[in-house]
Amino acid sequence: GAVVSQHPSRVICKSGTSVKIECRSLDFQATTMFWYRQFPKQSLMLMATSNEGSKATYEQGVEKDKFLINHASLTLSTLTVTSAHPEDSSFYICSARETGHGSGANVLTFGAGSRLTVL
Amino acid sequence: QKEVEQDPGPLSVPEGAIVSLNCTYSNSAFQYFMWYRQYSRKGPELLMYTYSSGNKEDGRFTAQVDKSSKYISLFIRDSQPSDSATYLCAMRYSGNTPLVFGKGTRLSVIA
Repeated sequence: GAVVSQHPSRVICKSGTSVKIECRSLDFQATTMFWYRQFPKQSLMLMATSNEGSKATYEQGVEKDKFLINHASLTLSTLTVTSAHPEDSSFYICSARETGHGSGANVLTFGAGSRLTVL
Repeated sequence: QKEVEQDPGPLSVPEGAIVSLNCTYSNSAFQYFMWYRQYSRKGPELLMYTYSSGNKEDGRFTAQVDKSSKYISLFIRDSQPSDSATYLCAMRYSGNTPLVFGKGTRLSVIA
């Protein structure tokens, strides 16, 4: 089945630094990838929709200058948390839908997530 | 009112029990319904996918969608300790739209 690889799985950084998280579709192409954030015991909250070759679409309340998203190829999207602060500590999860599937299915494959801890 | 409501639990059952997990939603425009299982500190994995109303069965899992009541369910038969996880319902509109998730229900199956 489709596999989405996310790296790193865990990162600890100092406040004020930037952290990049990669999301790769390993055996399929994805024109669209989604970035979610999940706080402890909470649901997944969509942050942004990453579109290959164009600007990402951010959800209301998500700062696009703080959470930079780049979708440079059909298999890679990156999320960069700039000037990270402790309140950015969370579990970040990406997902992708295989290109070519009918729009009806939209069966997303999720990465394993990246746990960010900002000290 | 949130778009998708799901009781977070926790829900604890003995091994072999039938588990019923449910979500309600407010927007009748949702057309695609999914259940994901998420183990601790892992990404969600798709369990079941259903389009519109009806039932779908896969092994020990049965998904039901009642669009008239805006209510979806996941049943797990002969539950196993390995089923212990958080179960998230998710749904979306037609077209290339993102999923909207419930809060997730934490399930523990006790051996």
